Amino acid sequence: NAGVTQTPKFRVLKTGQSMTLLCAQDMNHEYMYWYRQDPGMGLRLIHYSVGEGTTAKGEVPDGYNVSRLKKQNFLLGLESAAPSQTSVYFCASSFSGEETQYFGPGTRLLVL
Amino acid sequence: AQSVTQLDSQVPVFEEAPVELRCNYSSSVSVYLFWYVQYPNQGLQLLLKYLSGSTLVESINGFEAEFNKSQTSFHLRKPSVHISDTAEYFCAVRENTGGFKTIFGAGTRLFVKA
Repeated sequence: NAGVTQTPKFRVLKTGQSMTLLCAQDMNHEYMYWYRQDPGMGLRLIHYSVGEGTTAKGEVPDGYNVSRLKKQNFLLGLESAAPSQTSVYFCASSFSGEETQYFGPGTRLLVL
Repeated sequence: AQSVTQLDSQVPVFEEAPVELRCNYSSSVSVYLFWYVQYPNQGLQLLLKYLSGSTLVESINGFEAEFNKSQTSFHLRKPSVHISDTAEYFCAVRENTGGFKTIFGAGTRLFVKA
């Protein structure tokens, strides 16, 4: 039981490049979330999903897109990276909206 | 709208000393409250949570937090810290009206010195 895993762990992009972050969970959770963590600001919700095939915007969705084609995977895409997207990205999942969220180890993204 | 304020960005403390990490929240409805811990280069892990019932909740590693509704606080305490408690601690709140969006505080970095 690996819990929540994230790929890649670290990435450097140039402004304008695109990339996809992969989150996978093996706990059969319905809910999945993408957060970004910036110094002094805690975690902010980017997008979330309440089940396979569904996605919705969170607190800071601009510049990101997501997909949940399979229940166990939640992808976060950056179509045209900007320096403001330099951050640490965390994926989380939970059995329901009221249950504890389990976090992945994070992806450090640097946009030059 | 909900918000969470962690009053201290950094808390240095000597080993075996007591510590309190402060958290205040605002919400127009009843809430669930959480403390998460993040060790260096790792994701967040749930430390403890208050959902209902006893206002004093405890973790397996000696931390406790007390929900104070009148003061809208959920301070985290430990009577004697260890070097291994050095980490960042996040307070979080979620409305218990069926919503699932969790609002996190900015975090408090606990640094335990020998």
